Amino acid sequence: DAGVIQSPRHEVTEMGQEVTLRCKPISGHNSLFWYRQTMMRGLELLIYFNNNVPIDDSGMPEDRFSAKMPNASFSTLKIQPSEPRDSAVYFCASSFVRGSDEQYFGPGTRLTVT
Amino acid sequence: GDSVTQMEGPVTLSEEAFLTINCTYTATGYPSLFWYVQYPGEGLQLLLKATKADDKGSNKGFEATYRKETTSFHLEKGSVQVSDSAVYFCALSEGGSNYKLTFGKGTLLTVNP
Repeated sequence: DAGVIQSPRHEVTEMGQEVTLRCKPISGHNSLFWYRQTMMRGLELLIYFNNNVPIDDSGMPEDRFSAKMPNASFSTLKIQPSEPRDSAVYFCASSFVRGSDEQYFGPGTRLTVT
Repeated sequence: GDSVTQMEGPVTLSEEAFLTINCTYTATGYPSLFWYVQYPGEGLQLLLKATKADDKGSNKGFEATYRKETTSFHLEKGSVQVSDSAVYFCALSEGGSNYKLTFGKGTLLTVNP
């Protein structure tokens, strides 16, 4: 079975540009999570969806960040405009929430904003 | 709120040494507990889990026991290998309507031959 798929794996962009990160969760999973990982702050939960509905976006750092899940098999995280401090590895994870809390992580997108 | 505290690294061991990474938690209910592992350049993978007090999770020679009385879930392995070099994260989930995982800051383990 394919795991969680993220694209692109690496993204280098200039400050002020729009960045869109993509995630395809595992088929059949009903929850999706976006995380950000940096050396300074560790692993931070940005937002999570259940049945395509955003449940908690309190971790989204500011209005420059937005996330959507138009259907059960696709989600995007958008940063507009991007800033150097957004440089991090962004992970998407999915799970099937009914008795099991295990999350399955994608390989991550390494974002560098210059 | 929920929190997870794990020992700060980095931890450096020789091959075949005994490993312990301490993890304690704070939660309002009866959480499920997890250890995730992140190998260089990869996403996190579930290593083991325990869902109730006194449960022991085990996988790939790693073990951790859910200790409610000490609110701990320490990770152990009797004989580490170079291939165990990775970052280890302790995490908890309250479950129910709360789907979130609360992670510790991670512990970097380096095993030298």
